[in-house]
Amino acid sequence: SQTIHQWPATLVQPVGSPLSLECTVEGTSNPNLYWYRQAAGRGLQLLFYSVGIGQISSEVPQNLSASRPQDRQFILSSKKLLLSDSGFYLCAWSAGTTGSPLHFGNGTRLTVT
Amino acid sequence: AQTVTQSQPEMSVQEAETVTLSCTYDTSESDYYLFWYKQPPSRQMILVIRQEAYKQQNATENRFSVNFQKAAKSFSLKISDSQLGDAAMYFCARTGANNLFFGTGTRLTVIP
Repeated sequence: SQTIHQWPATLVQPVGSPLSLECTVEGTSNPNLYWYRQAAGRGLQLLFYSVGIGQISSEVPQNLSASRPQDRQFILSSKKLLLSDSGFYLCAWSAGTTGSPLHFGNGTRLTVT
Repeated sequence: AQTVTQSQPEMSVQEAETVTLSCTYDTSESDYYLFWYKQPPSRQMILVIRQEAYKQQNATENRFSVNFQKAAKSFSLKISDSQLGDAAMYFCARTGANNLFFGTGTRLTVIP
């Protein structure tokens, strides 16, 4: 069966520090991969998605970047965090076929101080 | 704008009773998919049910069922025989190109 791992679960970082959140998927190949951010009391905002190695699409211009160095690995990064980067970040995968649902990781709560 | 609207920020239901969560959406596509996700206090997003827009039959998963009205672009979730474990945020979502568009969620409280 397919599983998705996301870490760390919680992170507190000072303003201006770098960020690296990692997500890996097991049990499937060539998944679509996604990074979402969830602000308090709001829905999910798509940040990045990837349909293959090295293929990254950005939905929202911001202080963050994403990379997909391997088929089942998706990394969310920042060179210098801003206070506004605080939030709950969710990684997800889908089979990539029409109508296939997203399967989410457990999320990372990021607090920028 | 292609949006998903959940007009009920909070709902409550008595244990063992039935509750319906509302969702409307906007789309210019003729073929798409709709989802309900549950987010318990653990914050993990869990798929509850999926509906294919070209199928008129409403999807059902155990105690969860939907009322899909394509012409009205409405996709409500009915939870029957509510249980304490149903307490969570519920998000409605619609497929877009390589993406899901989510509503802002409805917080469901189950009263013992």
